[in-house]
Amino acid sequence: KNEVEQSPQNLTAQEGEFITINCSYSVGISALHWLQQHPGGGIVSLFMLSSGKKKHGRLIATINIQEKHSSLHITASHPRDSAVYICAVRNNNDMRFGAGTRLTVKP
Amino acid sequence: KAGVTQTPRYLIKTRGQQVTLSCSPISGHRSVSWYQQTPGQGLQFLFEYFSETQRNKGNFPGRFSGRQFSNSRSEMNVSTLELGDSALYLCASSWSGGAVEQFFGPGTRLTVL
Repeated sequence: KNEVEQSPQNLTAQEGEFITINCSYSVGISALHWLQQHPGGGIVSLFMLSSGKKKHGRLIATINIQEKHSSLHITASHPRDSAVYICAVRNNNDMRFGAGTRLTVKP
Repeated sequence: KAGVTQTPRYLIKTRGQQVTLSCSPISGHRSVSWYQQTPGQGLQFLFEYFSETQRNKGNFPGRFSGRQFSNSRSEMNVSTLELGDSALYLCASSWSGGAVEQFFGPGTRLTVL
């Protein structure tokens, strides 16, 4: 079993829909990152969380440390949100990554 | 402020050769981390450097090595290349390393023939 599990693996949505991507982890962490990767490979850091909730524009990230679970929400999704979203957890020694969720938003 | 830069962007090598990849962090950042991304294994942590010292290393063979210079620029080297080393190699910089936001470079795509 992977230490960082993401669901779903693939997600197709219509423009305007509310989207949720989930991440569960089984190791102790000091922080959790949500990353966005567009075709071509470039990675952008969306959020870094150690507790609670953060919001940036249409994106919201939450984390529940006791349940070892985080969610990334996208409100009013847009085709430009189409990308792979990756959950990564940081402990003292390294970073562990989920397999990613491929999101396609259709106009 | 300029972002993280990686050179070269694309590289083709043959089995048995060695390769050196370079990463220049954002000005003022003292930590550089390296990651390997493959279709089969996804993203995996290679190493983390801070102020010229390797702080952490992932589970990779000794053929993978790296270093960081006094200006925070970092290089990673892979010796005796294998077909399975074909991957996108990403570096990320941060001001301190550890649990802080990282800024990723565009990556170097290495193909081993």
